[in-house]
Amino acid sequence: SQTIHQWPATLVQPVGSPLSLECTVEGTSNPNLYWYRQAAGRGLQLLFYSVGIGQISSEVPQNLSASRPQDRQFILSSKKLLLSDSGFYLCAWSVSVRKQYFGPGTRLTVT
Amino acid sequence: GQQLNQSPQSMFIQEGEDVSMNCTSSSIFNTWLWYKQDPGEGPVLLIALYKAGELTSNGRLTAQFGITRKDSFLNISASIPSDVGIYFCAGLNSGGSNYKLTFGKGTLLTVNP
Repeated sequence: SQTIHQWPATLVQPVGSPLSLECTVEGTSNPNLYWYRQAAGRGLQLLFYSVGIGQISSEVPQNLSASRPQDRQFILSSKKLLLSDSGFYLCAWSVSVRKQYFGPGTRLTVT
Repeated sequence: GQQLNQSPQSMFIQEGEDVSMNCTSSSIFNTWLWYKQDPGEGPVLLIALYKAGELTSNGRLTAQFGITRKDSFLNISASIPSDVGIYFCAGLNSGGSNYKLTFGKGTLLTVNP
């Protein structure tokens, strides 16, 4: 069966510090991978998606970036965090585009 | 872009009551998904719908793909306290290379025991 992992689970970082969030998927090959951010207002905002190694599509211009160094690994990064980057970050995967499965999420607080 | 209107935004019900929520769109979708999110966790896929008119159940949950392909409904029968959470609908029009789901803003369900 397939599983998705995210770490860390929670993170508190000062403004201006770098960020690296990791997502890995097990039990499947060549998944589509997604990064979402969920603010306190509940809505899910798609940040990036990837259909293969090295292929990244950005949905929202911002100071975040994503990379896919391996087939089942997706990384969300920032060189300098802003207060507005606080939120709940969710990674998701799909093989069929008609279903997406979410990871447990990372709670990021920028202070 | 595509938008989904999900209603109601929140519901407060008594244990044992039935619940209904829905999503409507100005665009046609060929897939509707329903998720539940518990506090501090990622959304969990409950039901997937792929054909207009399709009615699918998962335990006490039943979801329907609207005939017009612009709406979907989720019903929960005989609610219990563990039904508490945020329910999201999501739609997909996977024409071409579109890999992106459009999400509703969620329905917050509170069940009073």
